[in-house]
Amino acid sequence: NAGVMQNPRHLVRRRGQEARLRCSPMKGHSHVYWYRQLPEEGLKFMVYLQKENIIDESGMPKERFSAEFPKEGPSILRIQQVVRGDSAAYFCASSPNSQTGGSKAFFGQGTRLTVV
Amino acid sequence: AQSVAQPEDQVNVAEGNPLTVKCTYSVSGNPYLFWYVQYPNRGLQFLLKYITGDNLVKGSYGFEAEFNKSQTSFHLKKPSALVSDSALYFCAVRGTTGGFKTIFGAGTRLFVKA
Repeated sequence: NAGVMQNPRHLVRRRGQEARLRCSPMKGHSHVYWYRQLPEEGLKFMVYLQKENIIDESGMPKERFSAEFPKEGPSILRIQQVVRGDSAAYFCASSPNSQTGGSKAFFGQGTRLTVV
Repeated sequence: AQSVAQPEDQVNVAEGNPLTVKCTYSVSGNPYLFWYVQYPNRGLQFLLKYITGDNLVKGSYGFEAEFNKSQTSFHLKKPSALVSDSALYFCAVRGTTGGFKTIFGAGTRLFVKA
């Protein structure tokens, strides 16, 4: 059973371009979390999704950022019109059900976004 | 290779008693160490970090952690547990060589009984 897979591992975008980050959860997992990590900082929660639903997006910036977790395929974190301040590591985690079910989240290795 | 171990799947403690959640690590170079807490139906919340400096790090909600280089450990502690501390706790490590890669432990479930 492969772990949480994130791709690409490294992504370079020019200012104004779009960035798409992909997260394939572990097999059987229907819950996905996205986090952003700035240099020398801890993770900051962005969004929590179930298949086809956004459960909690309280950590998402109001503009340019969006996330989806379709019925088929990976979860996508999309950043439109990137700016230098978007440069960070973005981590995805998945779990088989909600935390009330007692399940732990498993993390991917992250995508490093660099905006030039 | 980087690795993080949280040897206890679950920790049980009575309210008012001190608690310890264990974490050991292996990393190239000097480590950046983190503790996170996850409450039901929520994403991770940052508790504290060690980058450099004092080995005893104080964080949110009365938690602290001690960096022990010789034992490669970063145990999370709290002098007096609360029932509301019951949650999942994740330790994470990031090396200062090899880029940004952060490795998370498998998590430890803390139950605090009234």
